[in-house]
Amino acid sequence: AQSVSQHNHHVILSEAASLELGCNYSYGGTVNLFWYVQYPGQHLQLLLKYFSGDPLVKGIKGFEAEFIKSKFSFNLRKPSVQWSDTAEYFCAVMPKAAGNKLTFGGGTRVLVKP
Amino acid sequence: DAGVIQSPRHEVTEMGQEVTLRCKPISGHDYLFWYRQTMMRGLELLIYFNNNVPIDDSGMPEDRFSAKMPNASFSTLKIQPSEPRDSAVYFCASSSDRLPEAFFGQGTRLTVV
Repeated sequence: AQSVSQHNHHVILSEAASLELGCNYSYGGTVNLFWYVQYPGQHLQLLLKYFSGDPLVKGIKGFEAEFIKSKFSFNLRKPSVQWSDTAEYFCAVMPKAAGNKLTFGGGTRVLVKP
Repeated sequence: DAGVIQSPRHEVTEMGQEVTLRCKPISGHDYLFWYRQTMMRGLELLIYFNNNVPIDDSGMPEDRFSAKMPNASFSTLKIQPSEPRDSAVYFCASSSDRLPEAFFGQGTRLTVV
């Protein structure tokens, strides 16, 4: 079965700092990849997705992620964070051969200090 | 479309009582997922349906949990009897083959006392 690892459980940084969250997955076949964000007290919302093509994908709110197939990684980045980026971030994997089943990582809580 | 709709938003019940959570997926979506979120275990997939048929229920914790999808626009997750360790936020999500990204509902926060 596939698994998803997010290396950082908690990240604290100041406004304007750069953010990078790691995500690695274990699955040998082709996959769709996602990053979701959950603001305090809210539901999960899609930040960005990768299905195929350019491995550098851009999402909402200035986020981007890079798919590196050889490393089974899909790291999330934002050059300059804002206080409003305080949230929990989830990486998710969907093997293309497994229907639409999404497997989530454990999440990374990001706290941006004003 | 109003998105994925879950009810109730909050539920407080006593141990031993039956709890039923409801979900209306986005119209036209043919996949429906039930997730449970806790601090200790994160986001866990409990069960998912494709075209109203349960495909994978390996995440359902035990026989006290059951889920149904009688038609394309409605699903229930039932816990009977409920226990304090079932306290969590339960999310429903839906997606389609054409656009496989999952859309989540607002969740039901369940507290079993």
